[in-house]
Amino acid sequence: EVVLTQSPGTLSLSPGERAALSCRASQTINNNYLAWYQQKPGQAPRLLIYGASSRATGIPDRFSGSGSGTDFTLTISRLEPEDFAVYYCQQYTTSLLTFGGGTKVEIK
Amino acid sequence: EVQLVESGGGLVQPGGSLRLSCAASGVTFSNEWMHWVRQGPGKGLVWVSRINSDGSYTTYADSVKGRFTISRDNAKNTLYLQMNSLGAEDTAVYFCGGGNSGYSRYWGQGTRVTVSS
Repeated sequence: EVVLTQSPGTLSLSPGERAALSCRASQTINNNYLAWYQQKPGQAPRLLIYGASSRATGIPDRFSGSGSGTDFTLTISRLEPEDFAVYYCQQYTTSLLTFGGGTKVEIK
Repeated sequence: EVQLVESGGGLVQPGGSLRLSCAASGVTFSNEWMHWVRQGPGKGLVWVSRINSDGSYTTYADSVKGRFTISRDNAKNTLYLQMNSLGAEDTAVYFCGGGNSGYSRYWGQGTRVTVSS
């Protein structure tokens, strides 16, 4: 099973600031088969990024994904009030899919 | 607009069974891979199972293998999750998702399952 470790657990930032969220895999993620989701309280997750760096339909360009191998990053260039939420990475390089534990982005 | 609506959740005793449903609209369901993902109270997302478009291929997380069965009825545009031998660790909100073999482009709002005596 591929274990995904997200850091930090919580990120305290102000609107307008830049956020960088890390996702580290226990083994190489082939073909960059990594996705990022946003989840707000009481809501379903929303797909942000797939293939490590491709934005999903309707996702603003302030969200970007990067990385390869075992290290991946989700960057939010300038935080908007609606971006404060929990973010999860997920790998799909193996037949057993796995999620990271999540990073909460909270208002400082 | 794609819409997924889960149903079938509720309170069940330990050792009991439950079948969840996920009704799809706004998408050609028979072309789509589908997934089940769960989230325990105050916890993160956990992938449970997936099924290919015609139902011939399924995979499961180790924690549910042998107890849960994913299936689909393309004529009814509906995904299912049969859950047997339920334990407290299965208490969660269960989401269905779909749109790709590896990740979910769209999601339902979830159905809550509580396993308790």
